[in-house]
Amino acid sequence: GENVEQHPSTLSVQEGDSAVIKCTYSDSASNYFPWYKQELGKRPQLIIDIRSNVGEKKDQRIAVTLNKTAKHFSLHITETQPEDSAVYFCAANKRGGNKLVFGAGTILRVKS
Amino acid sequence: EAQVTQNPRYLITVTGKKLTVTCSQNMNHEYMSWYRQDPGLGLRQIYYSMNVEVTDKGDVPEGYKVSRKEKRNFPLILESPSPNQTSLYFCASSLLTGGHETQYFGPGTRLLVL
Repeated sequence: GENVEQHPSTLSVQEGDSAVIKCTYSDSASNYFPWYKQELGKRPQLIIDIRSNVGEKKDQRIAVTLNKTAKHFSLHITETQPEDSAVYFCAANKRGGNKLVFGAGTILRVKS
Repeated sequence: EAQVTQNPRYLITVTGKKLTVTCSQNMNHEYMSWYRQDPGLGLRQIYYSMNVEVTDKGDVPEGYKVSRKEKRNFPLILESPSPNQTSLYFCASSLLTGGHETQYFGPGTRLLVL
């Protein structure tokens, strides 16, 4: 079945620096790749997503890139701020499209 | 306000005592799902439902049951809870399918099974 691997498991950056989180997936039929942010004690919330017909998508300070050939996608956060500190999950849909498989998560700490 | 609600938010129980965690959404979504979150394992899907009376297993369905008798409700049932079901549980919903659009998560239910 679909497997999504996420790295790193923890990431510490200085405020203002960039952060990059990478995920790889195994199912070549996957065509939807969302990223969710979970603040401490809160529910996961979608921050950005990308579909397989697009190589890159940007929304203000966050961007996602997709390499279908290599089956990996990445989240880029520029000019990080303390409020970016959270757990970030990547996900990919499974063959058939009715389910998401999530990565194990990345704890991002932004030091001020 | 559009939302997904879960009850209870916190629950401590003992092995073997049946329990139900309720989930409700007011967005007229067709797709609903249950996940469990464990450290280092991310979010793993337990069961999902594409519509009323249509449910299917996720990746970790053992020890759980669900039902979807009404569109807005999707309860999670643990018939005989065991300590390995201690976890943080999230219900989620999306408009049509879970694999192509935003999933909206409930606030979570933290379960401890002694």
